Amino acid sequence: GESVGLHLPTLSVQEGDNSIINCAYSNSASDYFIWYKQESGKGPQFIIDIRSNMDKRQGQRVTVLLNKTVKHLSLQIAATQPGDSAVYFCAESWVNTPLVFGKGTRLSVIA
Amino acid sequence: GAVVSQHPSRVICKSGTSVKIECRSLDFQATTMFWYRQFPKQSLMLMATSNEGSKATYEQGVEKDKFLINHASLTLSTLTVTSAHPEDSSFYICSARQGVGYTFGSGTRLTVV
Repeated sequence: GESVGLHLPTLSVQEGDNSIINCAYSNSASDYFIWYKQESGKGPQFIIDIRSNMDKRQGQRVTVLLNKTVKHLSLQIAATQPGDSAVYFCAESWVNTPLVFGKGTRLSVIA
Repeated sequence: GAVVSQHPSRVICKSGTSVKIECRSLDFQATTMFWYRQFPKQSLMLMATSNEGSKATYEQGVEKDKFLINHASLTLSTLTVTSAHPEDSSFYICSARQGVGYTFGSGTRLTVV
């Protein structure tokens, strides 16, 4: 289930299930979006990106969906594994401006 | 692939002292680097954009005299936290842009005591 904590919402999933992490972005002019994974005490790790001229992009076990109408981005992780436990951030950029990060979601995988 | 090296990974300093954090692009040249700050259980907040050979651009609310940024070469940007106070304790992360992509350093945990 999903719960909103003091700062970061948390999504708990059973190992092997699919995870869906959502993100609402702020700027309708944004043309580039990235999902990052961050483990405790480390910098963000690139997962997958998508440009605004696409609405779906697939990687290995991950899929990003972009809905520009409602400014919504989602990350789907198939067959979630314990190693997927981390905080996930979406980030947006437009015309090569600095990345602006969303609030983040903590994914907790239950073995 | 592009690698950004950030040092130190962890530093403890006394109140009133200054701390320098280095961010290096190892296998590419970065005319633009970015500095972020992250408090526990929060997102990354952009502090400033570091431009090689020119002054950094600071985000609103970030004191440029407290957070000194120097980008003297195409592979090195430094962030100096001057006269550090306990409230400056945070996780600082640098990023460099290469083409259309962004590469992040591993972060620096600063603790001011």
